[in-house]
Amino acid sequence: DGGITQSPKYLFRKEGQNVTLSCEQNLNHDAMYWYRQDPGQGLRLIYYSQIVNDFQKGDIAEGYSVSREKKESFPLTVTSAQKNPTAFYLCASSTNIGRANVLTFGAGSRLTVL
Amino acid sequence: QKEVEQDPGPLSVPEGAIVSLNCTYSNSAFQYFMWYRQYSRKGPELLMYTYSSGNKEDGRFTAQVDKSSKYISLFIRDSQPSDSATYLCAMRGYPFDTGRRALTFGSGTRLQVQP
Repeated sequence: DGGITQSPKYLFRKEGQNVTLSCEQNLNHDAMYWYRQDPGQGLRLIYYSQIVNDFQKGDIAEGYSVSREKKESFPLTVTSAQKNPTAFYLCASSTNIGRANVLTFGAGSRLTVL
Repeated sequence: QKEVEQDPGPLSVPEGAIVSLNCTYSNSAFQYFMWYRQYSRKGPELLMYTYSSGNKEDGRFTAQVDKSSKYISLFIRDSQPSDSATYLCAMRGYPFDTGRRALTFGSGTRLQVQP
């Protein structure tokens, strides 16, 4: 079945550590996105990528980094510069950037900073 | 003021009830309106997608957009316990050539349908 696989599902991090969240899709979608979800807030866009080797900052990119070396993969690194990293992180994709309203989401990764 | 406002709930209804979920927004540039459903500890999934004003029906679900009032609604008829989830509204303007703020999401309404 086609879809998006995020790993790990749960992750605990000590302050000062970088962590990388994996996102893999087999939908042959060109565009991929990372969103952050906090209680009582809507999903907020961290980074997006329209094609391989290209990515753009979203609304809350500070303290995060991404790469897009393969069409299928869009990993997110949460760096120690992110002041409040505890959140639910969602990876999504769409056929292309013009179809960004029709998103397919992964199951999410919950990051907790100890 | 948030660009999209959505009552967080929780909204608790008995099985079989008609449910009304709503969002208001302030950006008149929004043209595309979506409803996503999110089960606990899962990613959202697209439920309904409408363009501009009007109604759209899909089975037990009806999406309604009133651009003049900047108000959108999702109605669920004959609600089932399996409808218990968080419902997120999402909106997008035009043109489509940028992914920045590709969608503006509401904060979600948690719905509980009691058997």
